[in-house]
This record gives sequence, C-alpha cells and structure tokens, in this order.
Amino acid sequence: EVQLLESGGGLVQPGGSLRLSCAASGFSFSSYGMSWVRQAPGKGLEWVSSISGTGTSTYHADSVKGRFTFSRDNSKNTLYLQMNSLRAEDTAVYYCAKDLSGYNSIFDYWGRGTLVTVSS
Amino acid sequence: DIQMTQSPSSVSASVGDRVTITCRASQGISSWLVWYQQKPGKAPKLLIFAASSLQSGVPSRFSGSGSGTDFTLTISSLQPEDFATYYCQQANSFPLTFGGGTKVEIK
Repeated sequence: EVQLLESGGGLVQPGGSLRLSCAASGFSFSSYGMSWVRQAPGKGLEWVSSISGTGTSTYHADSVKGRFTFSRDNSKNTLYLQMNSLRAEDTAVYYCAKDLSGYNSIFDYWGRGTLVTVSS
Repeated sequence: DIQMTQSPSSVSASVGDRVTITCRASQGISSWLVWYQQKPGKAPKLLIFAASSLQSGVPSRFSGSGSGTDFTLTISSLQPEDFATYYCQQANSFPLTFGGGTKVEIK
C-alpha cells in the first residue's frame, strides 16, 4: 500500500525557515517523480515544486523560487522541502504527492498534509 | 504560465442529477488535463487523467472529455458521496497550474 507521510510543519515567524519531510513507502520510490502542492486556508490548490526520480531535476513555482529547495534521499525514501525567508502568504497545508505510473505531473497518491503557519 | 479557468465556481444539485463542470486552458494543452475531487479536510483524489482516462477504482459515473483548451468533467448521476470540490490541473508544462475549483453542493 502506498503511503506518504508529511512532517515538519508548524508555526514560524516571517523571515524564518522550516524543513518539511515526506516519508514514502509501498512503491519503488526512486522510480517516481514527486511534488509538493499547497493549499492556503479556504483556498484552492497551488503547485509548489516537483523533483525527478533521480533527484537531478527540480522545478519550482515562481512564488517560491530562490526561497524553497526540494530534494530527496532515495536511500531513505524521503523527500525534503527546505523553506527559507518564509512569508505570511506561504501559510498553507503542504501535501506531498506521487506521480502516476508512466506519467509526469499527474498525482495519484497524496499525503494527509502538514500545516505551515507563518505569523508573528 | 497556463491559466486554468473553471466554471461554475459552485453548483447546487440533487442526488441523481447530471452535473457538468468545465475547465478552459489559456493555451492549448493537448490532452494533458487532470481532474481531482477534494472533500473537506482531506487530500485531493485523482479522478480523471489525460482528459478522459478514468483512474482505477473511480466509479464510471465520472467521465471526462475535451482536448486543446476546453475540457469537461461530467457526473452522470450525482451520488451523496460526490458532494465535494473539484479541481482541474494542466500537466502539459511547468509551472503546473490548477483551476480555481468547483464546489458541488446539495440542493
């Protein structure tokens, strides 16, 4: 059974940093691209970042480019999202999501999400 | 960036009704269109990919159509468990973008 479990969310002050993790199990982790998608309270879905199976290619939304870094450790089946220079508008539930087999950028499994709150 | 516009933003319907949601891309995306369902407090669930392919385990009352810039999600006979918010997403190119969502409410 595919499982994705995010952790690392919490309350942080504007300008601060936070590192999210996503522990994956139940599939051949290194064979799949993975992504982060966020959802601000009461709002819609917003794509944040994607990473290839090998970790050599990453893509970021303009809203987080230069502030967020997406990486993966295939030996630990874990994703990491390093978030620096956080802003109030980064407040959201952050979901990690797995690519559908044979496709890129189509998400067939999602974690339950972790809430990041940026506030003083 | 490709903008995704969904309509309507909300719809009130009764059990058994046929519901249609549309999604328009600001430029052609071939068939790289995905539909998700999201219930309150839950993660999104994949319904349809490649515009018209039904994800495994999704009931056949859900169907998708379209290509290029105009797409449709149809629920042929609305069931109580279908009351939720539906999002389209383009998977054609980065940055990936979602539509604003359509909330299907009980009439």
